[in-house]
Amino acid sequence: DGGITQSPKYLFRKEGQNVTLSCEQNLNHDAMYWYRQDPGQGLRLIYYSQIVNDFQKGDIAEGYSVSREKKESFPLTVTSAQKNPTAFYLCASSPDRVDYGYTFGSGTRLTVV
Amino acid sequence: KQEVTQIPAALSVPEGENLVLNCSFTDSAIYNLQWFRQDPGKGLTSLLLIQSSQREQTSGRLNASLDKSSGRSTLYIAASQPGDSATYLCAVRDTGRRALTFGSGTRLQVQP
Repeated sequence: DGGITQSPKYLFRKEGQNVTLSCEQNLNHDAMYWYRQDPGQGLRLIYYSQIVNDFQKGDIAEGYSVSREKKESFPLTVTSAQKNPTAFYLCASSPDRVDYGYTFGSGTRLTVV
Repeated sequence: KQEVTQIPAALSVPEGENLVLNCSFTDSAIYNLQWFRQDPGKGLTSLLLIQSSQREQTSGRLNASLDKSSGRSTLYIAASQPGDSATYLCAVRDTGRRALTFGSGTRLQVQP
């Protein structure tokens, strides 16, 4: 079955640590996205990538970094510069056509301990 | 900058009722609008995608309408069931950028 796989489902980070969230898709989609969701709020865009080796900052990119070395993979690193990283992180993908919708993964819940 | 608002923030109804969820957006220059469902602690499931040239889309008991000129969309759920309990999010894809802009969602509870 085609879809998006996010791992791990739960992640705990100590103060000062960098952690990386995985996102893999087998839908052959060109574009991939990372969103952050806080309780009771909508999703906010962190980064997105339309093609391999290219990505753009979203609305809240500070303290995060990404890479897009392969079409099917778009990992997100939460760095120590992100002061409030506790949130639910969602990865999505879509064909690079504006008339297509998005497909989302099941999310990673990150908690600072 | 596009802003998306969903009203109400929460809604509780008895089973069997028909209900309407509202979504408004500030910039009418959009490609499409997508409605999603989110269960607690889960990812988003796409319900309906409505293009800017369309007025409505239907899937089973769900019907989404779009009035692009007034910046409004509604999601109509017929004969609600307890299994419909979830948070419903609307998102628009506007011509200004490639990524979706989301509303804060409507949390729906259907009482048996």
